[in-house]
Amino acid sequence: QKEVEQNSGPLSVPEGAIASLNCTYSDRGSQSFFWYRQYSGKSPELIMFIYSNGDKEDGRFTAQLNKASQYVSLLIRDSQPSDSATYLCAVRRGSGTYKYIFGTGTRLKVLA
Amino acid sequence: GAVVSQHPSRVICKSGTSVKIECRSLDFQATTMFWYRQFPKKSLMLMATSNEGSKATYEQGVEKDKFLINHASLTLSTLTVTSAHPEDSSFYICSAYEDSNQPQHFGDGTRLSIL
Repeated sequence: QKEVEQNSGPLSVPEGAIASLNCTYSDRGSQSFFWYRQYSGKSPELIMFIYSNGDKEDGRFTAQLNKASQYVSLLIRDSQPSDSATYLCAVRRGSGTYKYIFGTGTRLKVLA
Repeated sequence: GAVVSQHPSRVICKSGTSVKIECRSLDFQATTMFWYRQFPKKSLMLMATSNEGSKATYEQGVEKDKFLINHASLTLSTLTVTSAHPEDSSFYICSAYEDSNQPQHFGDGTRLSIL
């Protein structure tokens, strides 16, 4: 079992729809959770991070965390073609110097 | 926000050449930086954790003598791929955080092609 699992996709949604990206993790000791967006040929850029159970909203993005189910998701409202990218889920664990474990990413296609 | 600069962005060189990649934190001090490698359509693979003033911590399977890491200051870490071969061709990305409670931010990456 991989430490961080994501469906590779592609996930196709029409422009203006809500895109829902999911991620599960295996280590219950994981403390913090991150979503990065990566365009083809580019490095990842931070979208959101969440530490506590529940929802966290930032503009069109909402991160949801359920530690009991070991599940974290990212919702993108009013999806735009420019949102088309690979979305990487990352989990941080450890103490002192943290280690980040990345999922393989979900490719999102927003259709105009 | 935290800005991480990586240089060069692209390197093409002959087999046997050693290549140095620099990672700088521009507006913050980073006691810890990370080096990742990414193959096409694959996720990020952590190679090593670079600690200022001490030896880097390498992940299992990563050759220390092949990938030399130096973190001589609070704003600069370097990765040297020694005697590079075609199988070392990849996208190398560094990252850093301001402190352990902050998310890491990535440099723009270095695309290394060994002929």
